[in-house]
Amino acid sequence: QQQVKQSPQSLIVQKGGISIINCAYENTAFDYFPWYQQFPGKGPALLIAIRPDVSEKKEGRFTISFNKSAKQFSLHIMDSQPGDSATYFCAASTENRDDKIIFGKGTRLHILP
Amino acid sequence: DTGVSQDPRHKITKRGQNVTFRCDPISEHNRLYWYRQTLGQGPEFLTYFQNEAQLEKSRLLSDRFSAERPKGSFSTLEIQRTEQGDSAMYLCASSSDSSEQYFGPGTRLTVT
Repeated sequence: QQQVKQSPQSLIVQKGGISIINCAYENTAFDYFPWYQQFPGKGPALLIAIRPDVSEKKEGRFTISFNKSAKQFSLHIMDSQPGDSATYFCAASTENRDDKIIFGKGTRLHILP
Repeated sequence: DTGVSQDPRHKITKRGQNVTFRCDPISEHNRLYWYRQTLGQGPEFLTYFQNEAQLEKSRLLSDRFSAERPKGSFSTLEIQRTEQGDSAMYLCASSSDSSEQYFGPGTRLTVT
């Protein structure tokens, strides 16, 4: 049973466009939702994270939108740049317990120059 | 603070051999996690330490896998009698008493 479902599997966006990646979760005990960025040959790097007490969080060009009732959240990358080309993982965990992260399967994002 | 480090970065071994990987977490992080990532997939949780205590093990961690964190600092992950299915990237992450986990660069294992 996949606890965090991510779509699309791959995404191509023109430079300057908006990249949108969607995720859905099943376990209502999840209360921490990070997004990780991974470049080839590297470990995942924490990009931005949200807790369910807010519906949106913005850091620079990156925004998370969170819909608790629908158990869905999404990442928006504004003004996408070629350097944003990477694999993005949404994830979920339960704070103050084991904090083990459950990852989605990832989205390979390619920004056309 | 240089971040989480892992050694070696790459390991090629023959089926049936034993391998050991090392992870050095960010200093003073009391939590340490091991994950496994196969090609085209997200990382999957293997095991978790709080200080030197191993608190949880995934069902993915067969009896051939063992992890230690003897002094609550660095950790080792050993795989005995490696199989081709063990080929993957093994990732280590650490955190303090928050949910923000910081990952190392990983050890890529290839079993031939």
